[in-house]
Amino acid sequence: GESVGLHLPTLSVQEGDNSIINCAYSNSASDYFIWYKQESGKGPQFIIDIRSNMDKRQGQRVTVLLNKTVKHLSLQIAATQPGDSAVYFCAENTDKLIFGTGTRLQVFP
Amino acid sequence: SAVISQKPSRDICQRGTSLTIQCQVDSQVTMMFWYRQQPGQSLTLIATANQGSEATYESGFVIDKFPISRPNLTFSTLTVSNMSPEDSSIYLCSALWRKEGTEAFFGQGTRLTVV
Repeated sequence: GESVGLHLPTLSVQEGDNSIINCAYSNSASDYFIWYKQESGKGPQFIIDIRSNMDKRQGQRVTVLLNKTVKHLSLQIAATQPGDSAVYFCAENTDKLIFGTGTRLQVFP
Repeated sequence: SAVISQKPSRDICQRGTSLTIQCQVDSQVTMMFWYRQQPGQSLTLIATANQGSEATYESGFVIDKFPISRPNLTFSTLTVSNMSPEDSSIYLCSALWRKEGTEAFFGQGTRLTVV
């Protein structure tokens, strides 16, 4: 069946370094993807999205890359800060949101 | 951004009882969804709450266990029926403002513990 999953369950980075979180999806018909950040005790918070007609999209300190050939997404966070510590999910949006497994990002000083 | 309010934020319930979770959005939305998130795991879609008609359930979820209402464009409820400890989880409401792909907002979730 359809699935959206992640390669790394936990990512530890040093403050100031760049972080890269990866995600694989299986539905080649998907045309819209979203990255969410979830802090402890809170609901997911929108970070950035990308449509399938794009390869790259940039936000403030974040960049999402989409490789449709291998059905792969990545979220890049520049100059990672302690406040970036959270669980990150990719989600595939057709007429409903299907979430990936999630990656916990830990930022250490 | 939009505000989605859920209540209760948490509850401890006896097995065999039912709990109804409410979700209120501060503006009219096209679609509303209910998710379950078990500890340390991702979000699993339970159902799409349809305004004025029966909800659309995902595989593994049934109406008798998770009845859903959506009487208007800003409000929905999810009931967890005949609860067992396996239903202990976080339940999240989500709202989508346009059907053709835009960001979905989430409530803060309801943490349910069944004892």
